[in-house]
Parts: sequence; structure tokens; C-alpha cells
Amino acid sequence: DSGVTQTPKHLITATGQRVTLRCSPRSGDLSVYWYQQSLDQGLQFLIQYYNGEERAKGNILERFSAQQFPDLHSELNLSSLELGDSALYFCASSGGYNEQFFGPGTRLTVL
Amino acid sequence: GQQVMQIPQYQHVQEGEDFTTYCNSSTTLSNIQWYKQRPGGHPVFLIQLVKSGEVKKQKRLTFQFGEAKKNSSLHITATQTTDVGTYFCAGNDYKLSFGAGTTVTVRA
Repeated sequence: DSGVTQTPKHLITATGQRVTLRCSPRSGDLSVYWYQQSLDQGLQFLIQYYNGEERAKGNILERFSAQQFPDLHSELNLSSLELGDSALYFCASSGGYNEQFFGPGTRLTVL
Repeated sequence: GQQVMQIPQYQHVQEGEDFTTYCNSSTTLSNIQWYKQRPGGHPVFLIQLVKSGEVKKQKRLTFQFGEAKKNSSLHITATQTTDVGTYFCAGNDYKLSFGAGTTVTVRA
């Protein structure tokens, strides 16, 4: 158990819909990262937040947005969903620039 | 931007044999990290290398960081079935960039 929690574990929705994925980092970690992992694909970095502020941006689509709240939990919002958005979405947290602790992931299926 | 390439993409290994996976970055890295993801699981941190030419060992796993800090390797000796999974390197300059991973299967 990494100490990072993600909800929900599974999400099935239809094209055009909007969903919110939630992540609670390890106690004390200020950084939260979001990754997308498609079938047979590596980890695509989406976005990083540090203590509520956006720190770095990766290959995040305009239809996607994220935020980190004062209690440090983070949400990733995916809108106008397409079939190609079906993937595993991981959240990770870290206390600095060192190792990242990954949550169990949310598996999103868009039908 | 920074790109991290990892080869091979797949490695099929006979139990007991050795293998190596390689990681190359287009830019000089401040450090490099390695993660392992078991089938159905999430990535788990293995190690971080920081210094030029650094070599670190974890039991049967040997990690190396190149002199120019642009490449790294992971060598596993006497592969066991517990080594099954995908090994990712992640290069760090201002953000962590993951390679595509090497997926390892083991023939008993």
C-alpha cells in the first residue's frame, strides 16, 4: 500500500460525458502528479500540482483539467469524453523531487 | 522537450538467464529513477541514480547511470518468475519523463 488513494477504482461512461477522478496523496506530500496509461502504452505525464499550484504540464488535452485543493487532495476532470480516453489514470505523490508513490489507479472505460 | 527512449520493449527470458534493459535521454538528466509495474498493478519505485557513472545494486538487480547522465541501464541476473512485469525508467530534469517500459516475461 503506497498511501495514495484514488477513487473510483472503475468508471464506465459514454462518449460526450464528463467525469471526475479523485486522488488523496500520502500524508505530508505536497506534490501530486497525474498520468494516463493506455493499453500497451507507457505512462504519459499529464500534470503536476505542488501545494495547490500548477507546477508542470505534460501532454494534457484541453478537455482535461485538474486542481489541487487546500487539503492537498486533487481532482482530474475529463470532459467531452471520447473512446480514445479509455485508459488507466494514475495519481502519484511525492514529498520533493524524489520518488513518486503511485495510487492504485482509476480504470476509465468510455463506451 | 525531453524524450526518454527505452529498449527493448519486450524481453522474453528463460528462468535463470540474465538480461539488460536500456534507457536513453535526449537531454542531460539531473537524476534517473526506475520503477516496476507488476501485471494489474501500479508502478513502484525501485531506485534513483544521481551521480555520473553511479552504480547501485539491489540483490540481483544492478542499475547504472551513464557518465554523461543521458543513459541508464538495469541488469537482472538469474531471472526469476517474480521478476515478471514492466520496468520503466524515468528521467528527471524539471519533470519526470517516463520511458515506454520493458515488459518482461519469464519462461519457467
